[in-house]
Amino acid sequence: GNSVTQMEGPVTLSEEAFLTINCTYTATGYPSLFWYVQYPGEGLQLLLKATKADDKGSNKGFEATYRKETTSFHLEKGSVQVSDSAVYFCALSGGNTGFQKLVFGTGTRLLVSP
Amino acid sequence: GAVVSQHPSWVICKSGTSVKIECRSLDFQATTMFWYRQFPKQSLMLMATSNEGSKATYEQGVEKDKFLINHASLTLSTLTVTSAHPEDSSFYICSAKPTRSGNEQFFGPGTRLTVL
Repeated sequence: GNSVTQMEGPVTLSEEAFLTINCTYTATGYPSLFWYVQYPGEGLQLLLKATKADDKGSNKGFEATYRKETTSFHLEKGSVQVSDSAVYFCALSGGNTGFQKLVFGTGTRLLVSP
Repeated sequence: GAVVSQHPSWVICKSGTSVKIECRSLDFQATTMFWYRQFPKQSLMLMATSNEGSKATYEQGVEKDKFLINHASLTLSTLTVTSAHPEDSSFYICSAKPTRSGNEQFFGPGTRLTVL
């Protein structure tokens, strides 16, 4: 079945450092890929998405490129801020699970210090 | 916009009792809502898909008689954990898909259930 693997955290960075959170997936067909962010005490929010190979999703300075050849969707940001501290989830939908159902990775906690 | 609330945010109950968790879409109508369960340091696992006015669709391995789902209106779905036991302790998260938009789901903040 479909699955998502993302790097374990926590990832600890200083403000203005470069961020990469790795995400790889296993899926049949052509899934859509997502990054969600969960700030403390809040629900998951969609951060960005990509629906086909080579698409780049971007939002709030974060980017991720849908790489079908490496089955990856790594999240990057050039300069993190303290306010980016949160848990980040990689997810997919589609393939053989249908486009309504989301399959999540385990989440990666990001801690940014001043 | 697109806010989803859950109530309660946390609950502690005794083994054998039943607990009801509410999921509400505050500013949109949602024909479809989803219920997830999250264990510490693990991913969100979809438990069931709830459709307004019809029976929920449960994922493989989820006991439908233990986790009762009711989606009686376009803004409210409830999850009742019946005869709860300590192994049911978990973080339960709902999401809602607006009736009038694409496939994006909007998530509630979650409910922490602890069964003693």
